[in-house]
Amino acid sequence: GENVEQHPSTLSVQEGDSAVIKCTYSDSASNYFPWYKQELGKRPQLIIDIRSNVGEKKDQRIAVTLNKTAKHFSLHITETQPEDSAVYFCAAHTGTASKLTFGTGTRLQVTL
Amino acid sequence: DAGITQSPRHKVTETGTPVTLRCHQTENHRYMYWYRQDPGHGLRLIHYSYGVKDTDKGEVSDGYSVSRSKTEDFLLTLESATSSQTSVYFCAIRAADRRNTGELFFGEGSRLTVL
Repeated sequence: GENVEQHPSTLSVQEGDSAVIKCTYSDSASNYFPWYKQELGKRPQLIIDIRSNVGEKKDQRIAVTLNKTAKHFSLHITETQPEDSAVYFCAAHTGTASKLTFGTGTRLQVTL
Repeated sequence: DAGITQSPRHKVTETGTPVTLRCHQTENHRYMYWYRQDPGHGLRLIHYSYGVKDTDKGEVSDGYSVSRSKTEDFLLTLESATSSQTSVYFCAIRAADRRNTGELFFGEGSRLTVL
């Protein structure tokens, strides 16, 4: 089955700096790559996603890039703010049943 | 919240007892999922359903069973709870009939402690 690896497990940046989280996947048939944000004590929520026919997608301060050849994708957050502090999960979708395989998460802390 | 409710939200039980968690949705979505969340492991799929009485195993299904007798309800059962099943359990639905993006909407989670 699909295997998703995510790095780093923790990331601390100063407010205003950029943050990058990287994921690799194993199944070349995966075609949908979402990112979820989970604030402390809350449920995961989708923040951005990308499909395999697109190399990059941007939504305000967040962007995701995908390299299908290397089977990796990354989340970029620019001009980080304290409210960006959370755990971020990448995921890869395989199969018609929309099974999402998640990475192990990155705890991002934005310090003042 | 995509009309998803989980119950109970918190439960403490003893090893060897049966436990059932309920996920209820109000928007008639076909796909429903049960994940568990543990530190260092992220979200791992236990079981999922693609319709009434249609279910399949995920990556960590041992010790768990599910049932879906109605579209709106997806039940997760631990037949004989063990301490290793102490976790936060999230139910999710796939919003395929909204934008066909495959986005999952999660419930608020159920925290289970097995003593």
